[in-house]
Amino acid sequence: QSVLTQSPSASGTPGQRVTISCSGSNSNIGRHTVNWYQQLPGTAPKLLIYSNNQRPSGVPDRFSGSKSGTSGSLAISGLQSEDEADYYCAVWDDHLENWVFGGGTKLTVL
Amino acid sequence: EVQLVESGGGLVQPGGSLRLSCAASGFTFSKYWMDWVRQAPGKGLEWVANINQDGSQKNYVDSMKGRFTISRDNTKNSLYLQVNSLRDDDTAIYYCAREGHAFDNWGQGTLVTVSS
Repeated sequence: QSVLTQSPSASGTPGQRVTISCSGSNSNIGRHTVNWYQQLPGTAPKLLIYSNNQRPSGVPDRFSGSKSGTSGSLAISGLQSEDEADYYCAVWDDHLENWVFGGGTKLTVL
Repeated sequence: EVQLVESGGGLVQPGGSLRLSCAASGFTFSKYWMDWVRQAPGKGLEWVANINQDGSQKNYVDSMKGRFTISRDNTKNSLYLQVNSLRDDDTAIYYCAREGHAFDNWGQGTLVTVSS
């Protein structure tokens, strides 16, 4: 069982906006910034959002992140078929003294 | 262009050992923390260990302490993971990742299969 909780699945139709949440605690999200990764089928993960809401160069502005208290969120607007992937949140945990990942959310574009 | 290329994976019997390597290029390797992250077949990502720029600080996930050892050679721009006493549940793709803005660059991974 992951320290960070994500819904196992999410879905939407092309053009829709979907939100994926990541719930943690005071020892991780409550103290540190949240990062999000996208993993397309059969490929290595890719950094999507860092420091709660920052996009690396090359990531479309359709992807956005936010944090409130002990939860983080990833929003994808204007959903496209190529967004179908697994999405993971990650944050440093002060109690465990290591990085922790959420269990991942599989996004399906209907 | 940042490149991370893992090697050293393969089929190993339970109780066996492997040394995984990650060759880095396209950036100043000695300026970054580096990490190993693994992914069992059909499962999520699991952080394994990290090491600071000069190798003086290392962190491990509790379940792997004592069996896994992370190290680096800045003269060779290389990161290593020595994995000992391997168990069936260590079967996974092992990725190395650069810790800049979070894990901002990943290798393609090397597959470790533990089976008799």
